[in-house]
Formats: sequence, structure tokens, C-alpha cells
Amino acid sequence: DAGVTQSPTHLIKTRGQQVTLRCSPKSGHDTVSWYQQALGQGPQFIFQYYEEEERQRGNFPDRFSGHQFPNYSSELNVNALLLGDSALYLCASSYRETKNIQYFGAGTRLSVL
Amino acid sequence: AQSVAQPEDQVNVAEGNPLTVKCTYSVSGNPYLFWYVQYPNRGLQFLLKYITGDNLVKGSYGFEAEFNKSQTSFHLKKPSALVSDSALYFCARALGGSSNTGKLIFGQGTTLQVKP
Repeated sequence: DAGVTQSPTHLIKTRGQQVTLRCSPKSGHDTVSWYQQALGQGPQFIFQYYEEEERQRGNFPDRFSGHQFPNYSSELNVNALLLGDSALYLCASSYRETKNIQYFGAGTRLSVL
Repeated sequence: AQSVAQPEDQVNVAEGNPLTVKCTYSVSGNPYLFWYVQYPNRGLQFLLKYITGDNLVKGSYGFEAEFNKSQTSFHLKKPSALVSDSALYFCARALGGSSNTGKLIFGQGTTLQVKP
């Protein structure tokens, strides 16, 4: 049983560019949440998707957007990249009826130069 | 606003000794509380959770945590530390009951260093 998988593992972009990160949830999970973890910090909630809709959102600008597909996989898009967007982006999946435990992927390390 | 505090950036302990990693939370309803561990270049791994019931929660790898409502704390403990326990530990909370949406609020993290 595969856990949460994220791609790519690492990514280097320059300021102003756009990036797309991908996440496949753990088998049987229907809810995907995205978190940003800056160096030396705890993860910060970006948003959560269920039934292909954004259900709740953290304190992130509109440059951060997402999508969930019918197979429950998800994408995180960040437009007009800033140096401060450099971070580890974590995807977590859960089953909506028992959303108490979230399972995390290994993350995508984004570096913005 | 709900928040989680981990007052120690780093905890050092000798192998075989008991360890404690501290966590306190802001008072807001009945919280759901979690501990996650992060190894270098890895995602977060779930250790244990408190939802309701017994204040002492047992989790993976011999870890346990005690929920103390009066002190608003949820400290992580292990009777005998291993060198392989060295990692970054995060305490997290979510809104409880019918307000639970699965959104986690994390503390800043505590680095546990276990020396042989």
C-alpha cells in the first residue's frame, strides 16, 4: 500500500516564475491538505481539498492555488514566485470521516533564486 | 486563536535515560492533539494523538504523551531513549468535536538529540 507520494522531490525556480507541485494521497483517502514548512519552522496550513473543492484556507495569498482531481490526487500552484516562497511543501492526506490522522508525504523542496 | 507552543528548541538526553519533549496549547474548546516526528529529508510521521478518554496516550516506537487539561499541556515522553530517536518533533492541534476540519496547527518543533 503506497503512502502519500509527492513530485518532484526538489525544484529550483527563479523569481516571478510559476510552479506546480503534485500529490497522490494514500490509498483510501479522499482529503488532501497542503502545508508550507519554512526552514526552522513548523508546517503552516495552506489549504485543504475535498470533493474537488477547496474547503478551507490558511493565511496565504491568492498566488497559491490548488486543484483536486477525481482520483483524489492534487496539485499546488504558486504564481509569481518570491524568494520567501522557498520552503518544503508538504502534502497530507486523510479520510474525511476520520480526518483526525493526516499522513504526510516526504515533501517537495522548492528553492526560489 | 488556537496555537501550540514548544518551549524548547532542543532537548539533549543520554541513551537509556527517560526523555520529555514539552508542548502547551491555547485554551479553545476541546482540542485534538497530536505528535509527529520528522527525520532529515523526510515528511512527518504520525506518533500519537489525543482525542478524548484516557489522559495517557500510547503511540508508536514506545512513545507516550500525557494530556493535562489544567496545565494545557501535552508532553511527549519515552521511558528509555534510543540514539535512533534523534529527530525533529512537532506538536500539533486541531479543533475538536464537530468543529474538526482536519486543519492542523503546528508548534515550532523541538530537536531531540540522544547521545550514546
